[in-house]
Formats: sequence, structure tokens, C-alpha cells
Amino acid sequence: DIQLTQSPSFLSASVGDRATITCRASQGISNYLAWYQQKPGKAPKLLIYTASTLQSGVPPRFSGSGSGTEFTLTISSLQPEDFATYYCQHRHSYPITFGQGTRLEIK
Amino acid sequence: EVQLVESGGGLVQPGGSLRLSCAASGFTFSSNWMSWVRQAPGKGLEWVASIQPDGNEKKYVDFVRGRFTISRDNAKSSLYLQMDSLRVEDTAVYYCARATVGTTWDIWGQGTMVTVSS
Repeated sequence: DIQLTQSPSFLSASVGDRATITCRASQGISNYLAWYQQKPGKAPKLLIYTASTLQSGVPPRFSGSGSGTEFTLTISSLQPEDFATYYCQHRHSYPITFGQGTRLEIK
Repeated sequence: EVQLVESGGGLVQPGGSLRLSCAASGFTFSSNWMSWVRQAPGKGLEWVASIQPDGNEKKYVDFVRGRFTISRDNAKSSLYLQMDSLRVEDTAVYYCARATVGTTWDIWGQGTMVTVSS
């Protein structure tokens, strides 16, 4: 199984800051990676797919990059509504797995 | 409006069974792979099962294979998850999700809670 490891697991930042979350895969997954945002009590929301393609309706302050085993989600200028938990997910092969999550909190 | 609405969750004893349903609307249900993803209380997301648009191909994570069965009725725009031999560790919110661009999920239901406890 392909393991995804996110870092950091917890991030404290202020409104207006730039935030970067990394997702590392245990083996190469090409660009078959997506990022989701989840708020408490809500379903996940797709932000980025195929490593760097912004989902329709997602603000352009969100961006994704990477290929192979290392990927990054960047939020260029944090807004109050961005404080949530973020997950990466691969679709390279079954079983599909997620990273353990990164909780982004307001400093 | 594109929407997925789950139902069927509840409290069940270990070893029991439960059938989850997911009603889809606002899109051509028969065109998409569909999946179930779960989240244990306070934990991360976990893929459970996926099914091909025509229902012929099904994929499962190892720890549910042989106990859970995913199915769909395209005429009713509905997805199902039959869960047998339930274990305490199956306690979670179960989400149905629509796949797009491979197994990337762009539409999610609100989730239904399954609690396995004696």
C-alpha cells in the first residue's frame, strides 16, 4: 500500500500569512494526488486534483505542486475561512489512501 | 443542484448488519464511479469501496473485503453499502462521494453515522 505522510500535522498561522503543507508518498505516484479541505462536522471539499489543477470555484490563493513522491499545497494569503484540516489523497493504485491530515489553526 | 444524501446509519451491535443508502440528484448518476469513504470519530479519512458506473467492477479496502458489499441502482440514482459482521472499529461517519478525474471525489454527501457498540 502507498503511504502518504503530511507535514506538519499541526500548523498555527495568522490571517494574511502564507501556509505550506507537504505530502510525501512512500513510492512514486506521478501526479495522481488531490487535496481536500475539511471543516468540523462537514464533508471534505475538493481543492486541487492531479497535483496542481484548481477545482472549479476554489479561490486562486490555493495552489498545488509536485510530482513523484513530494507534493505541496500552498495558501498564499490565509483568510479566516481557510482555518480547517487539510488532507492529501492519492489515486495511483488501490487501495486509495489519504494522508493523516494537517490541522491549520489561527495563531 | 448536484447533491448526494446518505441515510441508513444508526446504532448496531457487534456482528450485526446495516445497509447504507445514498440518493444522488442533479447529475447523470450512471456516468460516474461512486465511492464510500469513512471517518472514525476524531480521526482521518479512509477509503472503503468504489464501484464502476455499470456496477460490474468493485474495489474494496482489505479490512472490509468479504464483510461489506457496494452496489448501485442507476435507475434509482442510488448507491448502497451493505455492511455485515460489523466490528466496533467500523464506527465512523460514512460518506458517499462522486468520482471525477479518476478516483478524485468532487461531490460528497453530508455523511451518515454508524455506531457499532454493545
